[in-house]
Amino acid sequence: AAGVIQSPRHLIKEKRETATLKCYPIPRHDTVYWYQQGPGQDPQFLISFYEKMQSDKGSIPDRFSAQQFSDYHSELNMSSLELGDSALYFCASRVRGGLNTEAFFGQGTRLTVV
Amino acid sequence: AQSVAQPEDQVNVAEGNPLTVKCTYSVSGNPYLFWYVQYPNRGLQFLLKYITGDNLVKGSYGFEAEFNKSQTSFHLKKPSALVSDSALYFCAVRVRESSNTGKLIFGQGTTLQVKP
Repeated sequence: AAGVIQSPRHLIKEKRETATLKCYPIPRHDTVYWYQQGPGQDPQFLISFYEKMQSDKGSIPDRFSAQQFSDYHSELNMSSLELGDSALYFCASRVRGGLNTEAFFGQGTRLTVV
Repeated sequence: AQSVAQPEDQVNVAEGNPLTVKCTYSVSGNPYLFWYVQYPNRGLQFLLKYITGDNLVKGSYGFEAEFNKSQTSFHLKKPSALVSDSALYFCAVRVRESSNTGKLIFGQGTTLQVKP
């Protein structure tokens, strides 16, 4: 079965650089979520999209932006990177048929800022 | 503030013994409850969920969880642990209000170590 695909798997950037993370949801999933997991921490919700529109916003810095495209894939754009942005970034998708459907997660992108 | 608590950073169990990973929550209303497992350098894998009905929910790999409304708990259990169950386990909740867009609130995670 198809899963959530994230690219790249690993990314190393220098401070003040920009990074773009991509997420390809499971086919026919209309909702995408982005989470940030710092070292030894639980995943924190950043932002979500439903039918290409932003649906919710969490603790996402102003330096970050995201969007969902017509093919439902999503990109998280991160600018002016800081050392503290080093983390594992997860994308998840689900069918928004009801709140009881579970989200499926990608394997994550490990971002290291040096 | 809505929160999920996993009081144990680590749980150590001998292979073949039963295991319990604890989770309590503090959210408004009756949330949907989930357990996910994370293996090293891997994404979160869905294990099971509680929506409504029977308080004992069965999930993947022989895991089950018991919902207790009065104690606001959703403990993960398995009758006989395997070494391959060693991983990081996250409890998560999703509030039921229709305005919510389905984001998950995670607990801090519990590392399960199963020793041969």
